[in-house]
Amino acid sequence: AQKITQTQPGMFVQEKEAVTLDCTYDTSDPSYGLFWYKQPSSGEMIFLIYQGSYDQQNATEGRYSLNFQKARKSANLVISASQLGDSAMYFCAMRENQAGTALIFGKGTTLSVSS
Amino acid sequence: KAGVTQTPRYLIKTRGQQVTLSCSPISGHRSVSWYQQTPGQGLQFLFEYFSETQRNKGNFPGRFSGRQFSNSRSEMNVSTLELGDSALYLCASSLEGAGSYEQYFGPGTRLTVT
Repeated sequence: AQKITQTQPGMFVQEKEAVTLDCTYDTSDPSYGLFWYKQPSSGEMIFLIYQGSYDQQNATEGRYSLNFQKARKSANLVISASQLGDSAMYFCAMRENQAGTALIFGKGTTLSVSS
Repeated sequence: KAGVTQTPRYLIKTRGQQVTLSCSPISGHRSVSWYQQTPGQGLQFLFEYFSETQRNKGNFPGRFSGRQFSNSRSEMNVSTLELGDSALYLCASSLEGAGSYEQYFGPGTRLTVT
């Protein structure tokens, strides 16, 4: 079974609109972390946001917020006020405490922002 | 603070050859992880080094190996290259401990095997 599932291969949004990228995960480890990365066409992976399994509040970093619903095993990324520069591939990833630092990635969602 | 650097950025090799890729982590980071990214398999964890020791290993054949030096720089080696090894190889460094969990990635090395 896939540990990280991103069901949206592509998303389209207009500038200044908000967009939600879906991510569900599967783990039996009670201690884990969830990450979102952005990968522009240049290939570099850019860290966006992190949520720990024991964090009580949803993580936020500027225009990025993580909608963490632990019971549903969901960790959706919300980008507010989209910008043209947000067009990229977005990956959800999980780190299980028992697996050390290894990140398990989803297949990614391509976000296209238009003017 | 300088980011993670990887050299070379692009590489073309022939089947059967071997290749060595290099990764210099962010200053002060002692953990270096390697990932392979292909269109078919996506991003897959190769291995992680911490203080010159391999701490974790993904599900890759023994042709893939790595090492870490005392200055935390890391190299990965792929021997007897196959066409399927064509990929973007990313390394990531992290500052273990002190509640820091983020992994910062380098720009990657794009390997093409012909």
